[in-house]
Amino acid sequence: DAEITQSPRHKITETGRQVTLACHQTWNHNNMFWYRQDLGHGLRLIHYSYGVQDTNKGEVSDGYSVSRSNTEDLPLTLESAASSQTSVYFCASSEALGGELFFGEGSRLTVL
Amino acid sequence: ILNVEQSPQSLHVQEGDSTNFTCSFPSSNFYALHWYRWETAKSPEALFVMTLNGDEKKKGRISATLNTKEGYSYLYIKGSQPEDSATYLCALRNQGGKLIFGQGTELSVKP
Repeated sequence: DAEITQSPRHKITETGRQVTLACHQTWNHNNMFWYRQDLGHGLRLIHYSYGVQDTNKGEVSDGYSVSRSNTEDLPLTLESAASSQTSVYFCASSEALGGELFFGEGSRLTVL
Repeated sequence: ILNVEQSPQSLHVQEGDSTNFTCSFPSSNFYALHWYRWETAKSPEALFVMTLNGDEKKKGRISATLNTKEGYSYLYIKGSQPEDSATYLCALRNQGGKLIFGQGTELSVKP
């Protein structure tokens, strides 16, 4: 079955370290998204991509970057992790622009 | 910045009660409205995608209505069951295709 997977599921890192969260989907969806979930804020959009080589900033993009070198993967990189980036991160994809999102299981990141 | 608001923030009901909650959005920026169900320790799952004013969608005991002119959508759960306990998210699709989420309504159904 097609799916969307995130790794690692849990990570603890130190302030200033570079961290990459992987997202891989096998639906061949062009549209992929990264959200973060924090108490009191719901899901906030970090970055998104509508296809290979396309990346766009979301509401809370500062301190994050993404790359899209193929259809299946949209890795999220924290260049220099900060404690404010402690959160649960969700990757999602959709077949149609603005269509139903399919979410990964989430990656819990703790920055000490 | 699109502002999607959900109310109430949390809701506690008894098994068998019917309940409803609201998602409000700017009517001038409407392209589509999504509802997702998010159980604890799981990922959000889509319930409905609604695009037309007056749309009504139903899945089992859960249904939703949409009023794009006044900028709101209602989600109804008939005869709530403990397994309905979850956070219900609505999200507004903007012109660029992004989904902007509300903060969710956390539903707790007691047996």
